[in-house]
Amino acid sequence: DAKTTQPPSMDCAEGRAANLPCNHSTISGNEYVYWYRQIHSQGPQYIIHGLKNNETNEMASLIITEDRKSSTLILPHATLRDTAVYYCIVPAGPGTYKYIFGTGTRLKVLA
Amino acid sequence: GAVVSQHPSWVICKSGTSVKIECRSLDFQATTMFWYRQFPKQSLMLMATSNEGSKATYEQGVEKDKFLINHASLTLSTLTVTSAHPEDSSFYICSARDRAGVHPLYGEQYFGPGTRLTVT
Repeated sequence: DAKTTQPPSMDCAEGRAANLPCNHSTISGNEYVYWYRQIHSQGPQYIIHGLKNNETNEMASLIITEDRKSSTLILPHATLRDTAVYYCIVPAGPGTYKYIFGTGTRLKVLA
Repeated sequence: GAVVSQHPSWVICKSGTSVKIECRSLDFQATTMFWYRQFPKQSLMLMATSNEGSKATYEQGVEKDKFLINHASLTLSTLTVTSAHPEDSSFYICSARDRAGVHPLYGEQYFGPGTRLTVT
């Protein structure tokens, strides 16, 4: 089973920040959190990952709570092209790097 | 960098025939590749883990004799769907994990664009 839970869907107005939450309460101390997104009929696209510190790149920011049991992906200025399913993933086990995908969050950016 | 390709992007085959799908890491070496399948409006389901030079490890419920995986080099893994039937119609996606020390983003997987298989 997936080690993460996410809301099934969210809407966001174009130009506003999209905040996508993820719960991973069973994460262990050395496990990273990875975020990907999948635009319709394409392979998932890597967005960002983190361990305990907040991370930012050209695509998004990742905020991880101090207890590491949850995180939030932030798209600072959502565009229509950000409409996709967003997956938060914690690998299945140390050394395996297997990804067990949950249902993800279907983000719809509205004009 | 970190590009993964798949070939073909789509394929239609007749029931009972076999289909081979290729997954290549174009600009990095991948000791580990993964194969997923995805049905419409569903999430990705991991089928197997493919390690270069060794036998693939299949997830529970995935028939290893039906879904043959070969990972003969550090840049190529193949999935062969044998004796395909209409229920095998799906979107097949591979991913590759970069070897440590080659890319600074150690550990994450890079996904191919997917192959849509339709069995008639």
